[in-house]
Amino acid sequence: AQKITQTQPGMFVQEKEAVTLDCTYDTSDPSYGLFWYKQPSSGEMIFLIYQGSYDQQNATEGRYSLNFQKARKSANLVISASQLGDSAMYFCAMRETNQGGKLIFGQGTELSVKP
Amino acid sequence: KAGVTQTPRYLIKTRGQQVTLSCSPISGHRSVSWYQQTPGQGLQFLFEYFSETQRNKGNFPGRFSGRQFSNSRSEMNVSTLELGDSALYLCASSLAVSGRLSYNEQFFGPGTRLTVL
Repeated sequence: AQKITQTQPGMFVQEKEAVTLDCTYDTSDPSYGLFWYKQPSSGEMIFLIYQGSYDQQNATEGRYSLNFQKARKSANLVISASQLGDSAMYFCAMRETNQGGKLIFGQGTELSVKP
Repeated sequence: KAGVTQTPRYLIKTRGQQVTLSCSPISGHRSVSWYQQTPGQGLQFLFEYFSETQRNKGNFPGRFSGRQFSNSRSEMNVSTLELGDSALYLCASSLAVSGRLSYNEQFFGPGTRLTVL
């Protein structure tokens, strides 16, 4: 069964606007972590933000914030004030506590920022 | 602080050959995980090493193996290469101390792009 689902294969956003990238997950482990990564065309995976399942507040890192809705099992990434350099693939990933460092990735969303 | 490094960055091999890829984690990080990324299958977990021991393994054939050294550097080996092994191979390192919040940062290297002809 798919554990991480990213339903938007591709998205466009105008420069300086905000954009939300969707991610839903499935796990029976009460303790887990959720990650978002950015992958430019160069291939390197850049860590953006992390949310633990027990964290009470939504994670934020600069222009990135995570809209964590535990009951709905969703962990959407919000990028505020999009920049041209934000154009890249974005991956949502999950780590279950009993799986050590193993990350399960979604299929990714390709974001294109228009000038 | 230096990031995760992977060598080589690019590699071209022919079917039937073997290949060894190297990953040096961030200083102080004890866990190294390996992933294969292909257009068709996406990002798939290969294995994780922690303190020189394989801690977890993905669903890959035995041709894929790895090891970790006492300085936390890790290598992965693919024997008898097949065309389908062409991929970007990424490694990730994390601090991985005890406790449920230990993996809240996992940093990736730039990857090794392997082409099998």
